[in-house]
Amino acid sequence: AQKITQTQPGMFVQEKEAVTLDCTYDTSDPSYGLFWYKQPSSGEMIFLIYQGSYDQQNATEGRYSLNFQKARKSANLVISASQLGDSAMYFCAMREGYYQKVTFGTGTKLQVIP
Amino acid sequence: DADVTQTPRNRITKTGKRIMLECSQTKGHDRMYWYRQDPGLGLRLIYYSFDVKDINKGEISDGYSVSRQAQAKFSLSLESAIPNQTALYFCATSGTTGGGNQPQHFGDGTRLSIL
Repeated sequence: AQKITQTQPGMFVQEKEAVTLDCTYDTSDPSYGLFWYKQPSSGEMIFLIYQGSYDQQNATEGRYSLNFQKARKSANLVISASQLGDSAMYFCAMREGYYQKVTFGTGTKLQVIP
Repeated sequence: DADVTQTPRNRITKTGKRIMLECSQTKGHDRMYWYRQDPGLGLRLIYYSFDVKDINKGEISDGYSVSRQAQAKFSLSLESAIPNQTALYFCATSGTTGGGNQPQHFGDGTRLSIL
């Protein structure tokens, strides 16, 4: 079974609109962490936001927020007020287990339309 | 200067050649990782190391080997390269302070093409 599932290979959003990128995960470990990374066309991996399994509040970082629904095992990324520079691949990742290994999803390509 | 440096940034080589990709970091992190990225498959873990004496296989270690020469250096080797190892390779590091919320810090990647 896939540990991290991103069901949207590609998405379009109008500039200044909000967009939600979906991520579901699978783990039996009670302690885990969820991350979102951005990969622009230049290739580097940029850390955006983190959510711990025991965190009571949804994480927020500027225009990024993480909609964490633990019972549904989902950790969707919400980008508010999209900008052209938000066009990129976005990866959801999970850290779990004794060795704290990180598993990545297959990514969502977001394109922001002017 | 970058915190996580990968060399080379790009490499084209032939089938059967031995190749070494190097990674060095100035973040003082104990944990280092090697991933490969293929289109449509995301990042897949090749090897990881939690200190100089601790090296572990990831999900796709066949055909690869690693060496942790020092806390700051973690090299990935392809002993006899084959075309399906053409990919973008990333080195990453992470710290252990602050619990599990430390993100991985990535190098800029090495684009490897095997002809």
